[in-house]
Amino acid sequence: EVQLQESGPGLVKPSQSLSLTCSVTGYSITSNYWGWIRKFPGNKMEWMGYISYSGSTSYNPSLKSRISITRDTSKNQFFLQLNSVTTEDTATYYCARGAYFYYYDGTPRYYVMDAWGQGASVTVSS
Amino acid sequence: DVVLTQTPPTLSATIGQSVSISCRSSQSLLDSDGDTYLNWLLQRPGQSPQLLIYSVSNLESGVPNRFSGSGSETDFTLKISGVEAEDLGVYYCMQATHAPDTFGAGTKLELK
Repeated sequence: EVQLQESGPGLVKPSQSLSLTCSVTGYSITSNYWGWIRKFPGNKMEWMGYISYSGSTSYNPSLKSRISITRDTSKNQFFLQLNSVTTEDTATYYCARGAYFYYYDGTPRYYVMDAWGQGASVTVSS
Repeated sequence: DVVLTQTPPTLSATIGQSVSISCRSSQSLLDSDGDTYLNWLLQRPGQSPQLLIYSVSNLESGVPNRFSGSGSETDFTLKISGVEAEDLGVYYCMQATHAPDTFGAGTKLELK
């Protein structure tokens, strides 16, 4: 059974970078897609982006200039970095696994985040 | 981005009651490949989100069959046939047809 666990600082100062790690057990990150989603105070959810089994990435355009998702396959971990944070980035950050299938021509198609970590609460404050 | 509008925002139910949650999309979620990538998740208090239904009506493994999903194009419904205590929490619809993925605002299911 796949398990995902987020870790990282719970408090970040404005203008600095937020960095989180997602450690995955029970499943290889060289398969599937691996993403980050955040939940703001008040329940609003935002999809941030993912890194695929091949290492390609896709980001939410609203974050594209500030976000980076990378991975370390030897440790079966993937990472989120969000630069130039403000108080509006205060949220609970979830890592998740993305399910996908192949079209007949071999093109992969991601379609849902099917397993989630417990979440990491991050507050941006001076 | 696609806007998903969930109603009602809050739902009060008794144990055993059947309830429905609506999710309406600002544009059709029918993909060019013929599939519709509208999913439902439940976040119980203090827990992470859990996938219930994917691609409109497919029940995720391990999810009780009192949950069912239906709909097409822009109108979708999650039905719970006989609410149980463990069903309480916030339900989200989310779409993966059009990038970026987007979520509804959530429907909180509570006991009456």
